[in-house]
This record gives sequence, C-alpha cells and structure tokens, in this order.
Amino acid sequence: DTEVTQTPKHLVMGMTNKKSLKCEQHMGHRAMYWYKQKAKKPPELMFVYSYEKLSINESVPSRFSPECPNSSLLNLHLHALQPEDSALYLCASSPAGARLYNEQFFGPGTRLTVL
Amino acid sequence: AQSVTQLGSHVSVSEGALVLLRCNYSSSVPPYLFWYVQYPNQGLQLLLKYTSAATLVKGINGFEAEFKKSETSFHLTKPSAHMSDAAEYFCAVKGGGADGLTFGKGTHLIIQP
Repeated sequence: DTEVTQTPKHLVMGMTNKKSLKCEQHMGHRAMYWYKQKAKKPPELMFVYSYEKLSINESVPSRFSPECPNSSLLNLHLHALQPEDSALYLCASSPAGARLYNEQFFGPGTRLTVL
Repeated sequence: AQSVTQLGSHVSVSEGALVLLRCNYSSSVPPYLFWYVQYPNQGLQLLLKYTSAATLVKGINGFEAEFKKSETSFHLTKPSAHMSDAAEYFCAVKGGGADGLTFGKGTHLIIQP
C-alpha cells in the first residue's frame, strides 16, 4: 500500500460545529504532516508529527487541534472555525530519520467549507 | 530560512513543444529540492527530487530537472508537451529530517492544441 488516504473528501460545517479530519497511511512512515491550501495558492505547513510526537506547530490557531493516535493515523480536530478557514487540507507522510531528502507523499485532501 | 521562487505564474506552450518551468532557490546550505504536480481537485504528486547524487534528475512522465549551483536554479523541463501535462506545478525545498516543505507560488501550465 503506497498511498495516503483522507476522509472525508468534502466537509461543510458551521462556525459552532466540531468536526475531525482523518488521515491514514500504511507505508511505515514515521513523519506525518498537515498542510492548508487556499485556492490558487501553494500549500502551507501547519503541523509536523515525528514518531507520533508533535515536532512543529507553525503558529496555527488553537481552533485547529492535531492528534496522532498511532504511527498510521493522523487527525485534525476542528472547532469554532471561521469562514476564512475554508480551504483544501492536505495530509502527507514521509520516512523519518537521517535521509534528509525524504520525499513526502500526499493524500488527495479534504475540501473544507465553513459557513 | 530556505525558500524557492518560481518565475512565471502561468506558462503556455503548444502540444509537442518544450516545457520549461523555472525555479530558483535561496539557501545557505545544500538544499533538498522537489518538484510536485497538482491536478485540479487533487493532492500533490512527486515528479522528481534532487538528492545531490546527480545534477540531472529524471522524474516521472518524461520530466527532468537540472541542479545548477552557480545559478541557484532547479528548472523543470520536458522535451515534448502533452495535453495531459496541463496542471499546477510546485517547486519545493525542505530542511533536514522531518521538516515540512516550503513551496514556491506555483506555475500553472497550459497546453495549447
């Protein structure tokens, strides 16, 4: 299995809702990432987990809460979002460790709309 | 901080013509460079990566890129464009280990029949 899966594909939520995005990979990768991509813009890094521990948080608002329950699964919990948080949320994984040029494998993304 | 600059937000070529997408990097240390492609409403797919093993890197779908330290460039080329190449292309750089990627602004490739 050489793919990263993300669910749901689309999500519409109100500003008072709580929802979660899910990402899964079975490639044995120990680094997992969340990116946010606004329309016609490049992806921007949000969080990095390395060996199931949060290693990078790019000053993301607390209404986004990541979780890495095990080495294959990554969640992004959403609460009290704003309309400007509407975007494509991409998950990625890569082998961790000493190979500095490890490429990241991306999932298809979750298209989030906040009303 | 490491960064990449992509020249040209839109590039239009005729089918069968040479594709050239430009990427320049800014790094005080040897960079780890990547080219990704994104088709509409999809995630990103790796085209190729620079690992310092060779300056000319061959990737998927007939694409290749040449690392030129003297020009701080890593331009993407394809000898003959195909309609299926129409997509958004991102150059990216990363630091060591499990660092995230920093992307250029992207180049939208248009293929004219």
